[in-house]
Amino acid sequence: NAGVTQTPKFQVLKTGQSMTLQCAQDMNHEYMSWYRQDPGMGLRLIHYSVGAGITDQGEVPNGYNVSRSTTEDFPLRLLSAAPSQTSVYFCASSYDRALNNEQFFGPGTRLTVL
Amino acid sequence: AQKVTQAQTEISVVEKEDVTLDCVYETRDTTYYLFWYKQPPSGELVFLIRRNSFDEQNEISGRYSWNFQKSTSSFNFTITASQVVDSAVYFCALSSYSSASKIIFGSGTRLSIRP
Repeated sequence: NAGVTQTPKFQVLKTGQSMTLQCAQDMNHEYMSWYRQDPGMGLRLIHYSVGAGITDQGEVPNGYNVSRSTTEDFPLRLLSAAPSQTSVYFCASSYDRALNNEQFFGPGTRLTVL
Repeated sequence: AQKVTQAQTEISVVEKEDVTLDCVYETRDTTYYLFWYKQPPSGELVFLIRRNSFDEQNEISGRYSWNFQKSTSSFNFTITASQVVDSAVYFCALSSYSSASKIIFGSGTRLSIRP
């Protein structure tokens, strides 16, 4: 298993550009989430999904869109990038809600918005 | 509202010393989960432990131990005989059973182990 994969690893955008951060998992996990990590602030939840076709907002959803058309993929879209979105983005997945199993994290995408 | 506080921003100790990382949480849920993650300099997030709110037994795994006390809403992490490889940022996190996908992280403690 590849686990949780994220692409790209690094990205530089100009203000106003759009892009999609890709996240995929091959563990058949129901739950997938996106976090951003900023210095001194830990990880903050952006959006999450409890299964294909179901998404919900986390702590800091503004400026981001998500969709979950398949169990495997959970892309994060920035429609109009802003410098405040410069951050490291982590995707995570987990298997079982009742047991709240370990969340498996991807390697992260470092995004810089100029 | 849920909240996780890691008051220690940075800790630096000499190798072989014991070190405790503090974690205090707030939640109104009766069923919840607590986690510790390690983020080494390479940047990935490594799961260390999950504890549910009904299990207050302390846990030991090698040089790592965790002390969960509901009375003080704390879930502290101790590394015994620290090693340089333990240098990392450590995050404490909380989620409730009713919102299992929403994990709230503390701001992290940067631990530096000096040789």
